[in-house]
Amino acid sequence: DAKTTQPTSMDCAEGRAANLPCNHSTISGNEYVYWYRQIHSQGPQYIIHGLKNNETNEMASLIITEDRKSSTLILPHATLRDTAVYYCIVRVGGNQGGKLIFGQGTELSVKP
Amino acid sequence: GAVVSQHPSWVICKSGTSVKIECRSLDFQATTMFWYRQFPKQSLMLMATSNEGSKATYEQGVEKDKFLINHASLTLSTLTVTSAHPEDSSFYICSARTSGRGTEAFFGQGTRLTVV
Repeated sequence: DAKTTQPTSMDCAEGRAANLPCNHSTISGNEYVYWYRQIHSQGPQYIIHGLKNNETNEMASLIITEDRKSSTLILPHATLRDTAVYYCIVRVGGNQGGKLIFGQGTELSVKP
Repeated sequence: GAVVSQHPSWVICKSGTSVKIECRSLDFQATTMFWYRQFPKQSLMLMATSNEGSKATYEQGVEKDKFLINHASLTLSTLTVTSAHPEDSSFYICSARTSGRGTEAFFGQGTRLTVV
C-alpha cells in the first residue's frame, strides 16, 4: 500500500475549520484514501474515505486533488473534542482490500 | 458506524501467565479482523490479519507462538498473549471489516495490558 506524508502537528482555534493535508503521491488507481482519528487512549475512529470524488458526511469533508496525489480532510467547525491524532491511510478497497497501515499521523490540537 | 467491542478494557497480569483478549463485532459479520499493538506516543503497529476460519497471517517480527489468534466465527476473534513479560505491556487494539467494495474497518476501544 502507498505511503502517506502528514504534518506532525497542527493547531486550530475552536469554531474554525481545521484543514488537515495528506500527501500520497504514489497512490495507485485502485487505492482509496481513508481517514481515521484516535483520541487519547481510545481505538481509532473511522471518519471518511474516498476514491477520487470529494466526499462529505456528518463528521467531515474529504477533498482529493484531481491527480489523486494529495488530499485534505476538513473539519468545518472544530471543537475541543476534535483534539486527536488524525491518520491518513491509502489502501486497496473492495474484497481485495488489505490491511490498514498507520503512519505517524497529525496531532491536531483545538484550542479555545 | 458499526460497533466493535473489546474485552477486557484493561488487564493486569503476572509475568509468565497468559492473557486472552476478545474482539467482537456486534452488528455485522466480520470476515476479516486485524490486531494492532500501540506503545506510548507511537502509532499503531499491525500484528496480524485473520480471516474467519483461516489461520492468521502475522506481520514480520511478530511471534505467532506468543500471540495466538483465533477467528472461529464471523463475530469473534481472540488474541492470547502467552507467557507474558513486562515488555508485552501495551495497548492492544482490534479492528473488524466485512467484505465489500471500499469497505472501511471499525476499531474496538482497545485493551490496556500491564504485565507485572
